[in-house]
Amino acid sequence: EPEVTQTPSHQVTQMGQEVILRCVPISNHLYFYWYRQILGQKVEFLVSFYNNEISEKSEIFDDQFSVERPDGSNFTLKIRSTKLEDSAMYFCASSEALGYPAQYFGPGTRLLVL
Amino acid sequence: AQKVTQAQTEISVVEKEDVTLDCVYETRDTTYYLFWYKQPPSGELVFLIRRNSFDEQNEISGRYSWNFQKSTSSFNFTITASQVVDSAVYFCALSLYNFNKFYFGSGTKLNVKP
Repeated sequence: EPEVTQTPSHQVTQMGQEVILRCVPISNHLYFYWYRQILGQKVEFLVSFYNNEISEKSEIFDDQFSVERPDGSNFTLKIRSTKLEDSAMYFCASSEALGYPAQYFGPGTRLLVL
Repeated sequence: AQKVTQAQTEISVVEKEDVTLDCVYETRDTTYYLFWYKQPPSGELVFLIRRNSFDEQNEISGRYSWNFQKSTSSFNFTITASQVVDSAVYFCALSLYNFNKFYFGSGTKLNVKP
């Protein structure tokens, strides 16, 4: 069965550094998403992406964050200058169309900012 | 606005007991999807079930069963004859038809003791 993949599985970085989290969505999917889960808390929506632009973003997704689909397969989340509070699990998801929820999430990247 | 409430923060049972995890949702949309996910200690989100708002039929899958009641806006999850491997955090989530993004509940941590 097709699946969403994410790399790296874990990342440790120093505060103020830039990080790029990578995702490979399911190949025929058109909508892409990033979610965040701070340890012990609920999963929160960050951003959705369609047709090479952001379709929706939450208040969490400020100017420090950006997303990109640099080629036909990858979908990336960049955090420009990481803060301690960016430490979380980041999940990627994809869906084929509106009305088809992105019910399959990638395995997540656990980001730790020191 | 959309909201998912999982009032049970943590539940502990002894193996072989039945346990029900509660989920109450709020939305004014008439077309939506409801989900349950399992999050084991390793952190990934494991998809368990999806229900659309027009399908109130209850479902059973092995030891798992789901009770969807629109009249009470609830989508409860029962594990019959629980096992230690069921220990995890379980999330209920809501997705709207035209928006795809998920609204997660805060999760219920299930501890199954031998």
